[in-house]
Amino acid sequence: QVQLVQSGAEVKKPGSSVRVSCKAAGGTFNTYGITWVRQAPGQGLEWMGRIVPILGMVNYAQKFQGRVMITADKSTSTAYMDLSSLRPEDTAVYYCARDFPGDPPNNWFDPWGQGTLVTVSS
Amino acid sequence: QSVLTQSPSVSGAPGQRITISCTGTSSNIGAGYDVHWYQQLPGAAPKLLIFGNNKRPSWVPDRFSGSRSGTSASLAITGLQAEDEADYYCHSYDSSLSGLNYVFGTGTKVTVL
Repeated sequence: QVQLVQSGAEVKKPGSSVRVSCKAAGGTFNTYGITWVRQAPGQGLEWMGRIVPILGMVNYAQKFQGRVMITADKSTSTAYMDLSSLRPEDTAVYYCARDFPGDPPNNWFDPWGQGTLVTVSS
Repeated sequence: QSVLTQSPSVSGAPGQRITISCTGTSSNIGAGYDVHWYQQLPGAAPKLLIFGNNKRPSWVPDRFSGSRSGTSASLAITGLQAEDEADYYCHSYDSSLSGLNYVFGTGTKVTVL
């Protein structure tokens, strides 16, 4: 049973960048995708983008185009989410999740990583 | 940002039945895209509760059920228990924007009285 383990909390200055990692423990990516979702404090869930590591195929939500980059290292079963030009409103918990079972649009997300808090503050 | 609308809160006594609605439009639920539901316990990551409109993962008790009709979907919880107190989110796909676009509901907080 695959588990997704994310990197630890980060504190960043406005204008800087952050990288959050997501490692598949106890399994591999296989043919599935990894999706990234964020949740601002006290707010709902917001989809950011996804990658299918075995294909190298990436999709981004329009809102984050140009500011987010999602990559994956198949050899270590680790996905990465880089967010640049950070602003205080990017303060949120960032989650990765397996994008299951295969091709969009009817995929669901399971399991989820534990979340990574990114705080953007001067 | 959320294009799927949920009632902000629902409450019920232990043992009661409650329903959570998720209202969309013709570009998401109404277009026939599947609806999935997640439960988020306080301080925890979301967890899959219902997938493909009405299917339950093996670990989810049959007290939880989902349905979809027209531009809306619903999650029902029967025999409400204290451990069901959490936030619940619906999720679907929206075709109104170019490219891939998954969308979530605004979230519903369930309180067990």
